[in-house]
Amino acid sequence: GNSVTQMEGPVTLSEEAFLTINCTYTATGYPSLFWYVQYPGEGLQLLLKATKADDKGSNKGFEATYRKETTSFHLEKGSVQVSDSAVYFCALSGDTDKLIFGTGTRLQVFP
Amino acid sequence: DAGVIQSPRHEVTEMGQEVTLRCKPISGHDYLFWYRQTMMRGLELLIYFNNNVPIDDSGMPEDRFSAKMPNASFSTLKIQPSEPRDSAVYFCASSRSRGDEQFFGPGTRLTVL
Repeated sequence: GNSVTQMEGPVTLSEEAFLTINCTYTATGYPSLFWYVQYPGEGLQLLLKATKADDKGSNKGFEATYRKETTSFHLEKGSVQVSDSAVYFCALSGDTDKLIFGTGTRLQVFP
Repeated sequence: DAGVIQSPRHEVTEMGQEVTLRCKPISGHDYLFWYRQTMMRGLELLIYFNNNVPIDDSGMPEDRFSAKMPNASFSTLKIQPSEPRDSAVYFCASSRSRGDEQFFGPGTRLTVL
């Protein structure tokens, strides 16, 4: 079945450090891939998405590239800010109605 | 668009009481999802609807939980009777079509004493 695996958190970084949060997936066919972000006390909101192999999604300085050969969709940002502290969820949509979410990775950025 | 609207934002109740959570999806969205989030179990899909029809309720934990969608602009999640272990944040989300991105509401934080 379809599944998403994310790296365990928390990820702790200093401001302006480089961020990578790993995400790999298992799916049949050609899923769409998503990154969601959840700030404290809020619901999940879409950060970026990619719908086919080699697509790069980007938003707010974050990027992720749909790599079919490695079944990965790693999230990256060149210089994180304190305001990026949140929980990040990787997700995929396969041949079903619903999204399959990873377990989430908490990011903590310190000044 | 106002986004997905949930009410109440916070609910505190005593064990054994009935709790009703409400959701208004984004207009034009065909799918509605109910999730529960806890520290221990993470984000869990409880049930989802397509065009107001329940499609998969396999995530509903017990018969104490029920959900309805009487029309395209309103859904409820009811817990009767409530128990302390039901304490969680409950999210409603909607999407335009099959497998499309989901838009989440702000959630209802439920505390059962």
